[in-house]
Amino acid sequence: GAGVSQSPRYKVTKRGQDVALRCDPISGHVSLYWYRQALGQGPEFLTYFNYEAQQDKSGLPNDRFSAERPEGSISTLTIQRTEQRDSAMYRCASSLGTGGQGNSPLHFGNGTRLTVT
Amino acid sequence: AQSVAQPEDQVNVAEGNPLTVKCTYSVSGNPYLFWYVQYPNRGLQFLLKYITGDNLVKGSYGFEAEFNKSQTSFHLKKPSALVSDSALYFCAVRDIDSGAGSYQLTFGKGTKLSVIP
Repeated sequence: GAGVSQSPRYKVTKRGQDVALRCDPISGHVSLYWYRQALGQGPEFLTYFNYEAQQDKSGLPNDRFSAERPEGSISTLTIQRTEQRDSAMYRCASSLGTGGQGNSPLHFGNGTRLTVT
Repeated sequence: AQSVAQPEDQVNVAEGNPLTVKCTYSVSGNPYLFWYVQYPNRGLQFLLKYITGDNLVKGSYGFEAEFNKSQTSFHLKKPSALVSDSALYFCAVRDIDSGAGSYQLTFGKGTKLSVIP
């Protein structure tokens, strides 16, 4: 079966432009997470969805970042007015259980490498 | 708050020798612990988890990890290393007694494992 799919694989954009990153989770997975991974660091939590509901967005750095999952499947992470400090690998993950079932492992996509010039 | 420490940025081991990748954690409640592996240009792959029960857990590719509550550690081990084990390894924790921590997975910085032929 297909894993978590993210697109685009690489995105280069100029400072000030908006970008939209897409995540297609494993079919049937209830929970969806966005993480950001800087070079040499572990992934850092951004936001979490349970079905279509955004349960926690406490990890989003500022109001330029937003995410949605309108039909409880595909999710989009949008960064408005990009800045160079936004450059990182953005990773999406899904899990079968709801977030409260903490023993469900996360299944990660290959990520989107964002470079802001 | 929950946190993970991986004290070694890099671990080198000869092929056929046992390997250990260290991880210590900090949570206010009870932990769920995970190990993930990342190969170049790939997403993170789940290796194993500790939820409850036996302190020694076995996972994919011959890896195992030992949960030690008194030392708050969850070291990853393998009796005989393979060159193909060379990758980046991440330890992660969830605090199941914390509202957000029950679903937020907090990662360490990662340890690069190099297995020398």
